Amino acid sequence: NAGVTQTPKFRILKIGQSMTLQCTQDMNHNYMYWYRQDPGMGLKLIYYSVGAGITDKGEVPNGYNVSRSTTEDFPLRLELAAPSQTSVYFCASSYSDSGYTFGSGTRLTVV
Amino acid sequence: GQSLEQPSEVTAVEGAIVQINCTYQTSGFYGLSWYQQHDGGAPTFLSYNALDGLEETGRFSSFLSRSDSYGYLLLQELQMKDSASYFCAVINRDDKIIFGKGTRLHILP
Repeated sequence: NAGVTQTPKFRILKIGQSMTLQCTQDMNHNYMYWYRQDPGMGLKLIYYSVGAGITDKGEVPNGYNVSRSTTEDFPLRLELAAPSQTSVYFCASSYSDSGYTFGSGTRLTVV
Repeated sequence: GQSLEQPSEVTAVEGAIVQINCTYQTSGFYGLSWYQQHDGGAPTFLSYNALDGLEETGRFSSFLSRSDSYGYLLLQELQMKDSASYFCAVINRDDKIIFGKGTRLHILP
């Protein structure tokens, strides 16, 4: 099993550009999450999903969109990149509420 | 609202024991988790407490008191590789998991 796979690992965007951060898991987990982590800080929940076709906003959803058409995939979309979105993005999945498996992260810089 | 408080930094000596505390304020509390994160890495799951008491997993133990909205992570026989950030995380009944800001653990030889 690959676990949770995120692509790309690194990306530089210009202000106003768009991109999709990919996240896929092969553990048949129902729950999937997107977090961002700013330097020296904790993780902030952006969006989450409890199953295919269901998504909900987290603490900091503005500027992002998600979709969950399959159990395996949970892409995160940035439509108009802003410098404030410079961060490390982590995707995670879980079978229950007890413990997450995290992807290795995407380091995004918006210039 | 929801909030979690944990110390920003803790320093301990190799071979010793250290306790990292976490207090939380939330509605619909379901459980408390702990995660470890090394610099440049992803968080990794350490433990989960849904009921009051102590859960032990090797050198790491985690404690929860629901009545006090308090928990802690206990690390024994500290090793240099334990130098990392440790996050407590509250799991709520609405399926959200909210993380604290993390405690940076420094280990001295």
